[in-house]
Amino acid sequence: DIQMTQSPSTLSASVGDRVTITCRASQSISKWLAWYQQRPGKAPKLLIYEASSLESGVPSRFSGSGSGTEFTLTISSLQPDDFATYYCQQYYTYPITFGQGTRLDIK
Amino acid sequence: EVKLVESGGDLVQPGRSLRLSCAASGFKFDDYAFFWVRQAPGKGLEWVSGLNWNSAKTAYADSVRGRFTISRDNAKNSVYLQMNSLRPEDTAFYYCSRGRTRRIVGPTSSDSWGQGTLVTVSS
Repeated sequence: DIQMTQSPSTLSASVGDRVTITCRASQSISKWLAWYQQRPGKAPKLLIYEASSLESGVPSRFSGSGSGTEFTLTISSLQPDDFATYYCQQYYTYPITFGQGTRLDIK
Repeated sequence: EVKLVESGGDLVQPGRSLRLSCAASGFKFDDYAFFWVRQAPGKGLEWVSGLNWNSAKTAYADSVRGRFTISRDNAKNSVYLQMNSLRPEDTAFYYCSRGRTRRIVGPTSSDSWGQGTLVTVSS
């Protein structure tokens, strides 16, 4: 199975900050990576697919980059709604696997 | 509006069975793959199972293979997860999600999710 490792596990930041979350795959997954946001008590929400494509309706302050084994999610200017947990997911092959999550807290 | 509604979660004893349902509406159901993803309380997301648009391909996590079965009924716009030989470690919220890419055989990301249904396995 492909292992997905996110860093950091927890991130403290302030409104207006630029933040970056990293996701590493244990083998090449080409561009087949998605990023999800999950708020407490809610279902995950797709933000980015195919590593860098912004899902419809998602604010442009979210961006994704990378290919192969190294990927990043960047939020250019944090808004109050963005404090949540973020997961990467590889869908290059079954079984689909998620990273362990990055919790983004208010500093 | 795309809508997915899970049901069937319950408190069950170890070793028993449960069937989860996911009712879909607002789109052409039989063009899409579906997945089940679970989340133990306070933990991360774990992909459980997937089924492609024409039922030609199913896939399972190692942790559930041989115990869980995914299926769909296109006439009822519904997806199911039959869970047998349940274990305490299967306790989680179970989410149904729709594959983002139409008519794909392999895996894809999920663009729509239900609200989840809670399965608790305990004696």
